[in-house]
Amino acid sequence: QSALTQPASVSGSPGQSITISCTGTSSDIGAYVYVSWYQQHPGKAPKLLIYDVTNRPSGVSHRFSGSKSGSTASLTISGLQADDEADYYCNSYTHSGSWVFGGGTKLTVL
Amino acid sequence: EVQLVESGGGLVQPGGSLRLSCAASGFTFSNYEMNWVRQAPGKGLEWISYIGSSGYPIYYADSVKGRFAISRDNAKNSLYLQMSSLRAEDTALYYCARIDCSTTSCGWFDPWGQGTLVTVSS
Repeated sequence: QSALTQPASVSGSPGQSITISCTGTSSDIGAYVYVSWYQQHPGKAPKLLIYDVTNRPSGVSHRFSGSKSGSTASLTISGLQADDEADYYCNSYTHSGSWVFGGGTKLTVL
Repeated sequence: EVQLVESGGGLVQPGGSLRLSCAASGFTFSNYEMNWVRQAPGKGLEWISYIGSSGYPIYYADSVKGRFAISRDNAKNSLYLQMSSLRAEDTALYYCARIDCSTTSCGWFDPWGQGTLVTVSS
């Protein structure tokens, strides 16, 4: 049950686009569509951004998009805004019936 | 409004026990799978346990297996986490989270509660 691998930090300027990667294995991300992404602001509970690799819940900005290639999932945020500064976590279902999160990525908007 | 509210956290000595509760409202609790997720201070999210809608199956992370027990009471719309043999490294904010579904798929955590803080210290 090793955590999925995310970069510890990424940064970008307002208006730019950034991509956060999330690398797993053939037993989790590579095997299932159940890949999701969460945004967490300091002191707040995580908020669902993307589910089933590419789907956005209602109310989530179109600036957030997800994709997957093999065992690596990615979250792209376009048109960066100051409020996007937060921690981001990926999550995947695993072959053992459990779930696993990434280590988290801190996004800084310069 | 769909809502999850955790309670039961507090300060406990190493080796002690604690029972967390999660009260669900705004949806048919018995239809949904549930989880506990924790976050140590300044650290990332860690999935720790899952329970099916009827109380089965149950899964645990290796870090809590044999020490924690997840359960639910669908008549009371409540999820529980019985924690025993607590260690300093169990200190964390504990969230309950629902496995949400679309018309074709179930496999993401939404919503989350606000969390309840467990501190293991002498």
